[in-house]
Amino acid sequence: GNSVTQMEGPVTLSEEAFLTINCTYTATGYPSLFWYVQYPGEGLQLLLKATKADDKGSNKGFEATYRKETTSFHLEKGSVQVSDSAVYFCALKRGFFGNEKLTFGTGTRLTIIP
Amino acid sequence: NAGVTQTPKFRVLKTGQSMTLLCAQDMNHEYMYWYRQDPGMGLRLIHYSVGEGTTAKGEVPDGYNVSRLKKQNFLLGLESAAPSQTSVYFCASNPKGLQVRETQYFGPGTRLLVL
Repeated sequence: GNSVTQMEGPVTLSEEAFLTINCTYTATGYPSLFWYVQYPGEGLQLLLKATKADDKGSNKGFEATYRKETTSFHLEKGSVQVSDSAVYFCALKRGFFGNEKLTFGTGTRLTIIP
Repeated sequence: NAGVTQTPKFRVLKTGQSMTLLCAQDMNHEYMYWYRQDPGMGLRLIHYSVGEGTTAKGEVPDGYNVSRLKKQNFLLGLESAAPSQTSVYFCASNPKGLQVRETQYFGPGTRLLVL
């Protein structure tokens, strides 16, 4: 079946550090891949997505590239800020029209210290 | 536009009690979903709906029922709550459409504690 494996947290970094959160997936065919972010006390928000191999999703300084050869979708940011402190979820979407579902990783809690 | 709203925000139940969680969206979305979020397990799909009057089971449906009588509302019911249902529940929705349905919009969550 479909599954997503995420880097275990928590991750603590200093402001302006480089961030990588690893994500690998198992799925048949060509899933769409997503990163969602959950800020304290809020629901999940879509951060970025990629729908086919070699696509790069980007938003708010975050980037992730869909690597089919390594079945990975690692999240990166060159210089993190305190406001990036949140829980990050990698997810994939598979299924045919009317039956698509998201499969989430376990989440990685990121804390940025000033 | 309120987006996706959930009621209540927090609730404490005793084992065996029943309750209904309400999800409402004002974006005219076709699809709606209920997830539960537990530590170390990410989000797991409980039930979902692809349109008014339709529902389907997700990954962890046991102990829950749902109804979608109106397009904008998706109700999650617990008939006899158990401590294992202590969790944070999230509702989500997305529109029908080849490109836009990639994105799910989430509510703020309902924290449920079953004693």
